[in-house]
Amino acid sequence: GAVVSQHPSRVICKSGTSVKIECRSLDFQATTMFWYRQFPKQSLMLMATSNEGSKATYEQGVEKDKFLINHASLTLSTLTVTSAHPEDSSFYICSASPGKKGYGYTFGSGTRLTVV
Amino acid sequence: QKEVEQDPGPLSVPEGAIVSLNCTYSNSAFQYFMWYRQYSRKGPELLMYTYSSGNKEDGRFTAQVDKSSKYISLFIRDSQPSDSATYLCAMIHASGGSYIPTFGRGTSLIVHP
Repeated sequence: GAVVSQHPSRVICKSGTSVKIECRSLDFQATTMFWYRQFPKQSLMLMATSNEGSKATYEQGVEKDKFLINHASLTLSTLTVTSAHPEDSSFYICSASPGKKGYGYTFGSGTRLTVV
Repeated sequence: QKEVEQDPGPLSVPEGAIVSLNCTYSNSAFQYFMWYRQYSRKGPELLMYTYSSGNKEDGRFTAQVDKSSKYISLFIRDSQPSDSATYLCAMIHASGGSYIPTFGRGTSLIVHP
């Protein structure tokens, strides 16, 4: 089955520093990957759509200069939270699909970011 | 009105009960319907997906889609404490060729021994 690996699973950083989160599709190529943010007991909030070889498409209200997305290859997308602040603390999850219609999306295991 | 409505619960049932989880939606362009299970502090795990009205069964799980009523359900038979998790419904319609899922907010299920 399709596997998406995400790491780190948990990271604590100081306010003002940057954090990079990696998302890899292990056994399939993903032209498109999605990045979500999830607050406690809330649903997934789509932040951006990551397209291999081109710029990411950000959802309204998401600061693209703060959440830098790079989709360097068909198996790797990264999300960098720049100049992190405590309000950026959240659970970040990536997902990808092999691209077949209706296949469904496979999620990474998520990254718990805590900014202190 | 949100595109996808899902009662957040929590829904608490005894072990062995039949669980019914539901979502309603407003966009008739949705073509594919999925159910995900999410344990605490983990990424969602795909349970089932369907693309037509009717029922689809997989073990103890049955997904039901009623496009005329814009209503989908997930039934869990013989529920177990290990089924305790948040269940999210998701739907997809083709938008400019990209299949972007829309999620419900999730229903928290607690199965107690």
